Amino acid sequence: QQQVKQSPQSLIVQKGGISIINCAYENTAFDYFPWYQQFPGKGPALLIAIRPDVSEKKEGRFTISFNKSAKQFSLHIMDSQPGDSATYFCAASDSWGKLQFGAGTQVVVTP
Amino acid sequence: GAVVSQHPSRVICKSGTSVKIECRSLDFQATTMFWYRQFPKQSLMLMATSNEGSKATYEQGVEKDKFLINHASLTLSTLTVTSAHPEDSSFYICSATQRTVNTEAFFGQGTRLTVV
Repeated sequence: QQQVKQSPQSLIVQKGGISIINCAYENTAFDYFPWYQQFPGKGPALLIAIRPDVSEKKEGRFTISFNKSAKQFSLHIMDSQPGDSATYFCAASDSWGKLQFGAGTQVVVTP
Repeated sequence: GAVVSQHPSRVICKSGTSVKIECRSLDFQATTMFWYRQFPKQSLMLMATSNEGSKATYEQGVEKDKFLINHASLTLSTLTVTSAHPEDSSFYICSATQRTVNTEAFFGQGTRLTVV
């Protein structure tokens, strides 16, 4: 049973475009919401993370939007580049640090 | 950022043998380490949570006698896949959380296990 639901499963975006990935959760005990980027054959790398007391966080081209009442959060990748082509996972954890991952979104940025 | 090193990165073993995977936090003390398994084109599935000096806590459906986890120090956890079978072939990934920041997790580079 997936505790964090992620969509879409895959995404194709042109270079310079915006990639948007959405996640939803049910467990109100979650208090940490990271996004990870994973390239084939590599472990996931932390991209950006947010806590529920903030509605938006921006780091460079990456922005997380967080809606606590709807229990949803999303990742926006602005000015997408071919090097951004990867699989992106949202996740959520409680204070014990046990991460629950979404199913992943494969992003392909075309030149 | 904090570095987690996983070794080996790839291993091929014969069916019925055991394989040990190491996960080390190189520049911080890890209160907790987590072990995940990832099948091709799928998400990471948590196998177990390991706290230094205590027994690991396994997720439902994960055989603790098959996947032995040891967390002997604040910088090292090991996963031993015992009596490996071809269906155990997968990508195994560890993560570690720091003593002072207990929710940010740092991931190792993963171990590709192939059982032949």
